[in-house]
Amino acid sequence: AQSVTQPDIHITVSEGASLELRCNYSYGATPYLFWYVQSPGQGLQLLLKYFSGDTLVQGIKGFEAEFKRSQSSFNLRKPSVHWSDAAEYFCAVGGGSNYQLIWGAGTKLIIKP
Amino acid sequence: KAGVTQTPRYLIKTRGQQVTLSCSPISGHRSVSWYQQTPGQGLQFLFEYFSETQRNKGNFPGRFSGRQFSNSRSEMNVSTLELGDSALYLCASSLGHSGSRGHGEQFFGPGTRLTVL
Repeated sequence: AQSVTQPDIHITVSEGASLELRCNYSYGATPYLFWYVQSPGQGLQLLLKYFSGDTLVQGIKGFEAEFKRSQSSFNLRKPSVHWSDAAEYFCAVGGGSNYQLIWGAGTKLIIKP
Repeated sequence: KAGVTQTPRYLIKTRGQQVTLSCSPISGHRSVSWYQQTPGQGLQFLFEYFSETQRNKGNFPGRFSGRQFSNSRSEMNVSTLELGDSALYLCASSLGHSGSRGHGEQFFGPGTRLTVL
């Protein structure tokens, strides 16, 4: 079955600390991977995407993610978080003949001052 | 370029009523997808429209329906509302339909918050 797992429902980090949000997927075809962010009261915004090529992809707002095929993972990272990064983060996968996205349950990021 | 707009932003209805939500995609985008977001179930795909045709449908009862107009604007309708329909309904537009790579890059509206009493 195709699925996306974000193991952490909540993560709390201190402002200025580094961040890693985990995403694991199960997908039958070559996966195309996405991270989206949802700020409180807002819709989702695309942070970054991986289609092919370099497995380390850069996104907006200083985020990056690394695709590891052997681990079926696409973890999101940021070296130093800011209070404005407090939001919910969603990982999604599509690909093959169907790019209808399969979504993870989301990880809520809480920033400690 | 204007973003995806959704109207209304907030809606309160009672059980048994029906509701229509509207979504205007980004200019030039022909694919519109609808999602239901709740704290317990996360983001659930409702349906996708492209060029006025429904391409995909999620696992929701027939009370949930939608349509797309020739200008790509889309509406979704929920009939005979139930308490469990209370949710944030998100619309997303993209250049390509779900059979194309561009579909993964979706642009979301702010959502319509539906409360059913």
